[in-house]
Amino acid sequence: QKEVEQDPGPLSVPEGAIVSLNCTYSNSAFQYFMWYRQYSRKGPELLMYTYSSGNKEDGRFTAQVDKSSKYISLFIRDSQPSDSATYLCAMRGGSNYKLTFGKGTLLTVNP
Amino acid sequence: EAGVTQSPTHLIKTRGQQATLRCSPISGHTSVYWYQQALGLGLQFLLWYDEGEERNRGNFPPRFSGRQFPNYSSELNVNALELEDSALYLCASSGGQDANTGELFFGEGSRLTVL
Repeated sequence: QKEVEQDPGPLSVPEGAIVSLNCTYSNSAFQYFMWYRQYSRKGPELLMYTYSSGNKEDGRFTAQVDKSSKYISLFIRDSQPSDSATYLCAMRGGSNYKLTFGKGTLLTVNP
Repeated sequence: EAGVTQSPTHLIKTRGQQATLRCSPISGHTSVYWYQQALGLGLQFLLWYDEGEERNRGNFPPRFSGRQFPNYSSELNVNALELEDSALYLCASSGGQDANTGELFFGEGSRLTVL
């Protein structure tokens, strides 16, 4: 079993839709959870960062972590064509700064 | 403030050759990470350097090696290139005031093509 599982998609939605992206993981030591966004031919950039379980909201983006289920989610409200990118979940333990990434989900928001 | 810079942007090599990729971290960052992003495989962790020392290594053969220089820049060397080494190689840095979150700041990558 891979440490981090993420459905690669692709996912295609109309503009204005609510998008739900998810990852599951197997390593109980993971404590820090991140979502990165990667536009085509660019490096990934941090979108959301959460520590332990709970929700975090930033504008149109909400990140959820459920450590009991080993499941994290990213919700995008009122999706825009500019949100079209690959979204990568990433996580790490407390003392190890190495990030383990999911494979990424390719999202296309159609105008 | 300059971000993470990588060179070259593109590199074409043939099987058996060696490739050297370079990375300059954000000023004030002491840690450098290397990831391989091959098609369909996501980001695979290669190497982590901090303060000039190798701190962690991913599940890659020894022909993948690197080092970190006193100015915290880094290079990744891939010897005896194989076709499956074709990928985007991403460098990331962390540290300084960003050390608490452990956020990684990525460069734009070096695309290596092995023919």
